[in-house]
Amino acid sequence: GAGVSQTPSNKVTEKGKYVELRCDPISGHTALYWYRQSLGQGPEFLIYFQGTGAADDSGLPNDRFFAVRPEGSVSTLKIQRTERGDSAVYLCASSVDANEQFFGPGTRLTVL
Amino acid sequence: AQSVSQHNHHVILSEAASLELGCNYSYGGTVNLFWYVQYPGQHLQLLLKYFSGDPLVKGIKGFEAEFIKSKFSFNLRKPSVQWSDTAEYFCAVIYGGATNKLIFGTGTLLAVQP
Repeated sequence: GAGVSQTPSNKVTEKGKYVELRCDPISGHTALYWYRQSLGQGPEFLIYFQGTGAADDSGLPNDRFFAVRPEGSVSTLKIQRTERGDSAVYLCASSVDANEQFFGPGTRLTVL
Repeated sequence: AQSVSQHNHHVILSEAASLELGCNYSYGGTVNLFWYVQYPGQHLQLLLKYFSGDPLVKGIKGFEAEFIKSKFSFNLRKPSVQWSDTAEYFCAVIYGGATNKLIFGTGTLLAVQP
C-alpha cells in the first residue's frame, strides 16, 4: 500500500518568507509526527498529533513554527519568517501506535 | 537531559566482517528502544525494536541488538556484513510512557567494501 508522502520534495525560499510543508500519512494511522534533520545529525522531534490534536509540541523551536491536522489525516507544517538556520530536511512519520513509526521521504528546505 | 549517544560516526568494513554499533541512552526509567536504517536514496525504516522481555532482539536482514539495562546500552550487531548493508544507522529511544516522540542519536554511516 501507499506509504507516507510529503510535498514538495524540495523547497527553496528566501529569508523572511513563509512556507508550508505537507504530509499525507498512511491511511488509518492516527498518530502523525514531524521531525527535522540537519546535515550530519539524527532527526530531531518537533511535534506529534494524535488525531486532530497536538499530543506533544515540545520540540517546536519557537513561535515561528506551527503545525495543524484539522481532519486527523493530512498535516501541514507552517514556518513563518524563515531563517537560514531553518534549512534542513523535514521528515513526517505516521503510526498506529508506539510500535513503529513509518517515515516519509522528507522535504528538503533551503532558506537563502 | 534525555539523549542518545552513538559513538561510531563512520565505520568502514570489508564484506563478511562482523559489525557492532554502540548506542547508549541517558535515562534510567522505562524506555522503548529502536534501530532505524536509511539506505542510500531511501526513507528511514525500522530494523528492530525492544519494548520488554528477552533483551536480545532479532530484526530484519540478520541484525540483532542486545538491551543491557545496567549499561543503558542497546548495541546493534550483525555477524557478517554484506555490501548491501551500506547505509546510515540510527539508534532511537522513546523515554517514559507519556509520549511517542523518538529521540535519535546522530547516526553511524556504515560503508561495506566488496
